[in-house]
Formats: sequence, structure tokens, C-alpha cells
Amino acid sequence: GENVEQHPSTLSVQEGDSAVIKCTYSDSASNYFPWYKQELGKRPQLIIDIRSNVGEKKDQRIAVTLNKTAKHFSLHITETQPEDSAVYFCAASKEGSSNTGKLIFGQGTTLQVKP
Amino acid sequence: DGGITQSPKYLFRKEGQNVTLSCEQNLNHDAMYWYRQDPGQGLRLIYYSQIVNDFQKGDIAEGYSVSREKKESFPLTVTSAQKNPTAFYLCASSISGTGNYGYTFGSGTRLTVV
Repeated sequence: GENVEQHPSTLSVQEGDSAVIKCTYSDSASNYFPWYKQELGKRPQLIIDIRSNVGEKKDQRIAVTLNKTAKHFSLHITETQPEDSAVYFCAASKEGSSNTGKLIFGQGTTLQVKP
Repeated sequence: DGGITQSPKYLFRKEGQNVTLSCEQNLNHDAMYWYRQDPGQGLRLIYYSQIVNDFQKGDIAEGYSVSREKKESFPLTVTSAQKNPTAFYLCASSISGTGNYGYTFGSGTRLTVV
């Protein structure tokens, strides 16, 4: 089955710097890649997603890139702020019969933004 | 609270006891999911249901059971066969079980064995 690896497990940056989190996936049929942010004690929230027909997607300070050949995708956060501090999860899924919509998550990255 | 409600927020289980975690959504979503969250291991899929009256095992289904008798409800029972149940349990839903869509998560239930 699908396996998603996420790195690094922890990341500490200074406010205003950029942060990059990387994920690799094993199933070449995967075609949907969302990112979730989980603040301490709260539920995960979808922050951005990308589908396999697109190489990059941006939403203000957040961007996601996808390399289908290498089977990896990355989350980029620019001009980080203390409120960006949270655990970030990548995930992957594919369409097709019983596998449709089932997200497989990475292990999570704890991002700390120092003021 | 966000359209998907989990209860209780905290739950304590004695050894050998079955407990049931509630998950209710009013989003009219077809698909519902249960994940277990442990430190350093991300979110692992326990069970999922793409449509009412149907559900499938996830990657770590042993010791758990579910039902999906109503579209709005997807309760999870942690049985005595689950040897290490202490964890944070998250329920989620998505618009459809036949396409790739993002999840809406509940606020979670923290289960502790005492």
C-alpha cells in the first residue's frame, strides 16, 4: 500500500525566515496531496492541496510543489510568523474503487517560529 | 463546532472494558474516517466508510469496530482486544467517497487506559 515519509520531524526558524517541509510517497498512482496544520490542542485544518495535474500551487505565504517523477512534494512557508508554529502533516491519496478518498498521512513536522 | 462533533473529549477506560467514541456530522458528507494519532507516528487509519451501511478496515483495524447505520454518524468502539488503546482519536468526513477531497476533522477524543 501507499507509504508517505515526511521530513524533518522538527524544524525551528526565526520569524521572517522561510520553512520547507518535504514528503515522499511510494504509490505512483497517488494523485491528490493535501497539507494539514494542527495547532496545539486543536483539530487538523486543511491549509493547501495539490493534484497531480499541477506542479505548483500558491496561496499567499504558502506554496506547495509536486514532482511526480521523483514522487515527492513540498510545503513552502515564506515570511514565517509565530502563529505559523504548529504540527504540519502531508498526505496522499488516489482515486479508484475502495482506495478512493483514503488519505495516508506522513509522520508530521513540528514547526517552531522564534520571535 | 465546525460541522463534525466528537464526544467525549476525554475518556478513561479500565482494563478489559469496551468503550465507544461518538462522531456526528451535519455536513451531509458521504464519507467518514477514524484515525489514531500517537506522538511521532502521524495519523494512522483505523476504519473508513465511503457511504452509509458500508465500511472498510484501515491499516490498524485490529481491536476496533465501527458501524455506519446513519449518514451522520460513525461511532468507533475500542474493544478489550486492543492492547494499547491510549491515544488521541480523530474522526473526519469528506464530501464524497468516490473522489479525492479534503477532510473536515472533529476536535478529537483523548482515550486513556487506567
